[in-house]
Amino acid sequence: GAVVSQHPSRVICKSGTSVKIECRSLDFQATTMFWYRQFPKQSLMLMATSNEGSKATYEQGVEKDKFLINHASLTLSTLTVTSAHPEDSSFYICSALSRARSYEQYFGPGTRLTVT
Amino acid sequence: GQQLNQSPQSMFIQEGEDVSMNCTSSSIFNTWLWYKQDPGEGPVLLIALYKAGELTSNGRLTAQFGITRKDSFLNISASIPSDVGIYFCAGLVSGNTPLVFGKGTRLSVIA
Repeated sequence: GAVVSQHPSRVICKSGTSVKIECRSLDFQATTMFWYRQFPKQSLMLMATSNEGSKATYEQGVEKDKFLINHASLTLSTLTVTSAHPEDSSFYICSALSRARSYEQYFGPGTRLTVT
Repeated sequence: GQQLNQSPQSMFIQEGEDVSMNCTSSSIFNTWLWYKQDPGEGPVLLIALYKAGELTSNGRLTAQFGITRKDSFLNISASIPSDVGIYFCAGLVSGNTPLVFGKGTRLSVIA
């Protein structure tokens, strides 16, 4: 199956610092990637849709200046959490859309962010 | 926004038993997907359904796309301990739109 990687898998940072999370599609091109946030024992919550070469589309209630998304190539999208606060601690998961596979979405393994 | 109602929320079964879970929606989806998520991992695609009425199998897993396009079910036959995890249904309206997720079914298998 299609492979999506995320880096780092877990990160601990101090309050006020910024953290960048990378999402890569390893064996297919992804013109669209999605970023999700997941709280314990809950479903995935869509944060934004990232399209290669254009600005991301953010869901209602998600601050675009706080969660910066860059989709610079067909295989890489990055999410930067700026000026992180403890309430930003969460599990962040990306998914990549494969047009070659009938628009199936493949998920990365997730990034556990802890802000102290 | 669109929502999927997934049930049951959780289930405890004996190893070897069959399992059934389903999702319903008030609106139509053109693709239904079933994912499994292990703790601390991202969801893994199990089965994708593209046509109303379609019945698809993947090993011990069988899923169907409801004829009204508003529901789908997933069956797991002869459950084993590694089936433990959270199963999510997801609906897709069109190509590059976001998935709409159900709230998940947490499956526990007792050996």
